[in-house]
Amino acid sequence: GENVEQHPSTLSVQEGDSAVIKCTYSDSASNYFPWYKQELGKRPQLIIDIRSNVGEKKDQRIAVTLNKTAKHFSLHITETQPEDSAVYFCAAPRSGSARQLTFGSGTQLTVLP
Amino acid sequence: NAGVTQTPKFQVLKTGQSMTLQCAQDMNHEYMSWYRQDPGMGLRLIHYSVGAGITDQGEVPNGYNVSRSTTEDFPLRLLSAAPSQTSVYFCASSYGAIQETQYFGPGTRLLVL
Repeated sequence: GENVEQHPSTLSVQEGDSAVIKCTYSDSASNYFPWYKQELGKRPQLIIDIRSNVGEKKDQRIAVTLNKTAKHFSLHITETQPEDSAVYFCAAPRSGSARQLTFGSGTQLTVLP
Repeated sequence: NAGVTQTPKFQVLKTGQSMTLQCAQDMNHEYMSWYRQDPGMGLRLIHYSVGAGITDQGEVPNGYNVSRSTTEDFPLRLLSAAPSQTSVYFCASSYGAIQETQYFGPGTRLLVL
């Protein structure tokens, strides 16, 4: 998307290790940051989101952190499992629009057994 | 609930042909949107609607039309197909606007020759 950059594009980790994916955004007024997981041949599904009034949110092995000053947010997956292998997308409101989401280009995560 | 449904699952068109991709949801969601997914480019917003009778352009609207005559349906029309429109198309819906979980359909894979 034009105002969301996502890194890395590919990530391989050993099972049990942690994985971190980072996204940066350009619009300081952005206030909502979701993460979607897309398994091969399937539809994207929301796994976690964060709003700008908090700095961190956790859901079991998944967490998202937000740094509003630096305008970046990150997805953290701990104790990775083979079923975590998928493409992960971050998203943020498109600059100047409160009704459009812009997605990052995606990260292919591979968890090696 | 069937959630978000899309038809067809796969379509082959010749350059210049027109067609309509169907999308329907049974969750009484007000917000609906169309994305295209191309390798390495994430999901890009084509058009969206905040309710029946209201549509607006997204990031990549050229070559596509939409209408929203009912809350349930949001068809996407390709006016004159071009090879550059070869992609996977996802419809999504949410209760509110973008700051709610986006529920994606299963996708339509389109090949334009």
